[in-house]
Amino acid sequence: QKEVEQDPGPLSVPEGAIVSLNCTYSNSAFQYFMWYRQYSRKGPELLMYTYSSGNKEDGRFTAQVDKSSKYISLFIRDSQPSDSATYLCAMKGGGATNKLIFGTGTLLAVQP
Amino acid sequence: GAGVSQSPSNKVTEKGKDVELRCDPISGHTALYWYRQRLGQGLEFLIYFQGNSAPDKSGLPSDRFSAERTGESVSTLTIQRTQQEDSAVYLCASSLPGAGASSYEQYFGPGTRLTVT
Repeated sequence: QKEVEQDPGPLSVPEGAIVSLNCTYSNSAFQYFMWYRQYSRKGPELLMYTYSSGNKEDGRFTAQVDKSSKYISLFIRDSQPSDSATYLCAMKGGGATNKLIFGTGTLLAVQP
Repeated sequence: GAGVSQSPSNKVTEKGKDVELRCDPISGHTALYWYRQRLGQGLEFLIYFQGNSAPDKSGLPSDRFSAERTGESVSTLTIQRTQQEDSAVYLCASSLPGAGASSYEQYFGPGTRLTVT
């Protein structure tokens, strides 16, 4: 079993829809949770990070972490065609290393 | 300022040849990471450099893979006797030092697309 599981999609939604992206994980030592966005043939870029459980909002994006269920989510409100990309969840433990464990990524297409 | 740069952007090599991939991190970023991304897969951690500390090599898949970093600047990832399963995009990232929030944001380069024929 992989440490981080993520539905690869593809996920296709109409412009303006609410998008929900999710990851589950098995390692209870993970404390830091991140979402990266990767456009085609580009490197990933950090969208949001959260520490431990709870919600964090940034504009149209909301990240949720439920450590009791080992489940994290990213919600995108009022989705735009420019949101079309691959979304990768990433996690790290509390130790000294900054090694990130990534999910496989979910390919999102927002149709105009 | 300039972001993370990687070269070459694409590399096609024959099975059994050695390849060297280069990464130039953002100036002032003492932490540097190499990841591998196979088609349809997430990023797989390979190696992590932090200043003068011993690198974390725990992700290197075999002894054919090695990486070096000169001080806090350029890093090279070398793959010896390449195999077809080495075909992937190799991504380099850098970040600010420490273990706090500033270190979580890893800035990625565009990657080197390696194809082993």
